[in-house]
Amino acid sequence: DAGITQSPRHKVTETGTPVTLRCHQTENHRYMYWYRQDPGHGLRLIHYSYGVKDTDKGEVSDGYSVSRSKTEDFLLTLESATSSQTSVYFCAISESEGGHETQYFGPGTRLLVL
Amino acid sequence: GQNIDQPTEMTATEGAIVQINCTYQTSGFNGLFWYQQHAGEAPTFLSYNVLDGLEEKGRFSSFLSRSKGYSYLLLKELQMKDSASYLCAVRDSNYQLIWGAGTKLIIKP
Repeated sequence: DAGITQSPRHKVTETGTPVTLRCHQTENHRYMYWYRQDPGHGLRLIHYSYGVKDTDKGEVSDGYSVSRSKTEDFLLTLESATSSQTSVYFCAISESEGGHETQYFGPGTRLLVL
Repeated sequence: GQNIDQPTEMTATEGAIVQINCTYQTSGFNGLFWYQQHAGEAPTFLSYNVLDGLEEKGRFSSFLSRSKGYSYLLLKELQMKDSASYLCAVRDSNYQLIWGAGTKLIIKP
């Protein structure tokens, strides 16, 4: 257990509304990631962070922003949700073990945009 | 472009052996990962290969051939609880993980 929680676990919202998803970790990991998972696609990286206030874009960052003001929290914001952002969102941390970095995932947030 | 290919779905019988293949074309290679994901749950780490050859971990083994851009996950003595999706991911030259779409494994009694 990598001590990762996500909130909310489920959310239904309407097109055009802002949505913020939270990822919280308790083990002081430096790297944190936000992915989305959709049927027929592999996990796709949205944004990642390599420290407090240090973030970078991933493969599918359009329409999303992130913030990391504390080591333990990584927030993902959809400024104006669209139906194409209906997905399962996973947060992950990176942990060093056996000489390599391994990613461990939070339980996920299911988001439905109507 | 970068690409990870896995079969979409496989079926096997309880107690048998199954091999799930993964081929990749990525910009650089810094290791290959296999994850298991049960329906409605998060992916969980299974194995890591960075050198050619076989890594064994109990009933699960993972093989890598870097020259062929190929890996497989071998599951022995299949149990019903092994019914899940199996995700292959490659760490590229930017140290980002590139993910396959996953293989759904169905175990029949």
